Amino acid sequence: EEQLVESGGGVIRPGGSLRVSCVASGFYMSHKYMNWVRQAPGKGLEWVSILYSGGGTYYAASVKGRFTVSRDSSKNTLFLQMNSLKVDDTAVYYCARGHRSSWQSDFDLWGRGTLVTVSS
Amino acid sequence: EIVMTQSPATLSVSPGEGVTLSCRASQSVGNNLAWYQQKPGQAPRLLIYGASTRATNIPARFSGSGSGTEFTLTISSLQSEDFALYFCHQYDDWPPYTFGQGTKLEIK
Repeated sequence: EEQLVESGGGVIRPGGSLRVSCVASGFYMSHKYMNWVRQAPGKGLEWVSILYSGGGTYYAASVKGRFTVSRDSSKNTLFLQMNSLKVDDTAVYYCARGHRSSWQSDFDLWGRGTLVTVSS
Repeated sequence: EIVMTQSPATLSVSPGEGVTLSCRASQSVGNNLAWYQQKPGQAPRLLIYGASTRATNIPARFSGSGSGTEFTLTISSLQSEDFALYFCHQYDDWPPYTFGQGTKLEIK
């Protein structure tokens, strides 16, 4: 069964750093375009970043320069390193798989998410 | 950035009834529109992509239509498991991908 499982969320103070992870099973993450999407409490979904199968990355303007997406193919794991965290970064962070090998794609598999709370 | 607007925010419906959810884009997205279902504590699930194509294992009671700026998701006969949050997603213009705020289907 194909599955994505996020972990690593927690409570962190403003200005701090945190790395969340997403482990894939049932498929090779390195063959797919992988995304991070977040959802603040009571809010809609916000796309955060994408990692192409070829290694290219893009970020939302709200996190560019602070967040870095990467993967460890040997562990079939996607990471999101979050630095200089702000209260507005508080959200459930989901990883989501691109359906196609293109940026122009829906997301056909999601994890359950991991909650990141930025609070003093 | 393309703004996606869903209406209504909440819809109260009785099991067995049909329902139509709306999603509007601030500019044309062609047919690059997906619908997802989200239940509390669960992973979002892809229902529809390409505006009208059902994803794998999605029941036939779910159907999508529209193109350009106006889209609908129709559930023909609501089952108990269909009461959830639904949101649309445009992937025509990027970055960023953008999502609607969601429509919550609740039991009447």
